[in-house]
Amino acid sequence: GAVVSQHPSWVICKSGTSVKIECRSLDFQATTMFWYRQFPKQSLMLMATSNEGSKATYEQGVEKDKFLINHASLTLSTLTVTSAHPEDSSFYICSARDPGQARGEYFGPGTRLTVT
Amino acid sequence: GENVEQHPSTLSVQEGDSAVIKCTYSDSASNYFPWYKQELGKRPQLIIDIRSNVGEKKDQRIAVTLNKTAKHFSLHITETQPEDSAVYFCAAGGGADGLTFGKGTHLIIQP
Repeated sequence: GAVVSQHPSWVICKSGTSVKIECRSLDFQATTMFWYRQFPKQSLMLMATSNEGSKATYEQGVEKDKFLINHASLTLSTLTVTSAHPEDSSFYICSARDPGQARGEYFGPGTRLTVT
Repeated sequence: GENVEQHPSTLSVQEGDSAVIKCTYSDSASNYFPWYKQELGKRPQLIIDIRSNVGEKKDQRIAVTLNKTAKHFSLHITETQPEDSAVYFCAAGGGADGLTFGKGTHLIIQP
């Protein structure tokens, strides 16, 4: 199946700083990537849809100025958590669709963010 | 938007028995219904999926059924094994949108 990587796998940052998370499709080109957030013992919640070459589409309740998304190429999308606060601590997972395959989304390994 | 309900939240079955997890969805435009298995601290792994033009799909011990009219779909695991213990998520979507996930079912296989 298609491979999606994420970096870093975990990060600890201080409150008020910014953190950038990268999501890459390794063996296919993804015009669309998705960013999800998962709090402990909860389900995945879609945050935004990242479209190559255009602005991201954010879900209701997700602050676009706080969670900056850049999809600069067909294999890379980045999520920057700006001015992070402890309540932003979560598991952030990206996914990508391989247009060449009939199956759906392939998830990255996730990034565990802890804001102190 | 789409809303996905998943039941039960916890399911405990004896090893060797079958497990069934059910989901309902609200958006009739959804046409893709995957099931994911997630172990603690790891990414969700796609285990089976079904599209709206099919009513049932089977892959060894795992099967999924879809009732478009009633807007519900189910995951069936037969001959359960200890390694089946995990959290299972159903999801619904399709088109250009991301997936909407159910809240998850914690499946516990009792030895």
